[in-house]
Amino acid sequence: AQKITQTQPGMFVQEKEAVTLDCTYDTSDPSYGLFWYKQPSSGEMIFLIYQGSYDQQNATEGRYSLNFQKARKSANLVISASQLGDSAMYFCAMRGSGSSNTGKLIFGQGTTLQVKP
Amino acid sequence: DAGVTQSPTHLIKTRGQQVTLRCSPKSGHDTVSWYQQALGQGPQFIFQYYEEEERQRGNFPDRFSGHQFPNYSSELNVNALLLGDSALYLCASRGWGETQYFGPGTRLLVL
Repeated sequence: AQKITQTQPGMFVQEKEAVTLDCTYDTSDPSYGLFWYKQPSSGEMIFLIYQGSYDQQNATEGRYSLNFQKARKSANLVISASQLGDSAMYFCAMRGSGSSNTGKLIFGQGTTLQVKP
Repeated sequence: DAGVTQSPTHLIKTRGQQVTLRCSPKSGHDTVSWYQQALGQGPQFIFQYYEEEERQRGNFPDRFSGHQFPNYSSELNVNALLLGDSALYLCASRGWGETQYFGPGTRLLVL
């Protein structure tokens, strides 16, 4: 069965420093997609970055980059130059596999990030 | 370009009642998915609608049902509400690409 594991319930980072949020995944499907979302206290799930299993290069979007290590089944999110507004819950997610599951996202438990001034 | 919108933002119901939540997808998106997020947990997939039909379903009872309209907007209906149905309900839309874009959610409290 597919599974996403986020082992860091909470993280602290100093403003302007970089931080890495861990994510490991489990799937037997050779084709899959990995996502990171940010959820502020307001509740809206904000899309940050996407990595396809066949993408040759690690995905980047502004201050966000995804450290994709396929052999280790890890997809860690790196946030550079942290800002106070980055304080939120962060979720790693994977697209479901198989003809009956490709529409769903499977989420991890999330990591709460707090940026200190 | 309007994003995904949901209504209402908050809702309080009592056990046994029925509730309807609404979602309008992002412009150009034709696929809508619904998720339930309990406090402190990641979202759980309820079902997905495309071309006005339920295409995929997660592990939720038949009390959870939905509908998609010709303009791609969608409703989530929950019958015979239980205390455990209290959660944030998120709607997400998708177009041609892989990414699902979420709305602000509806917070449902069942008393």
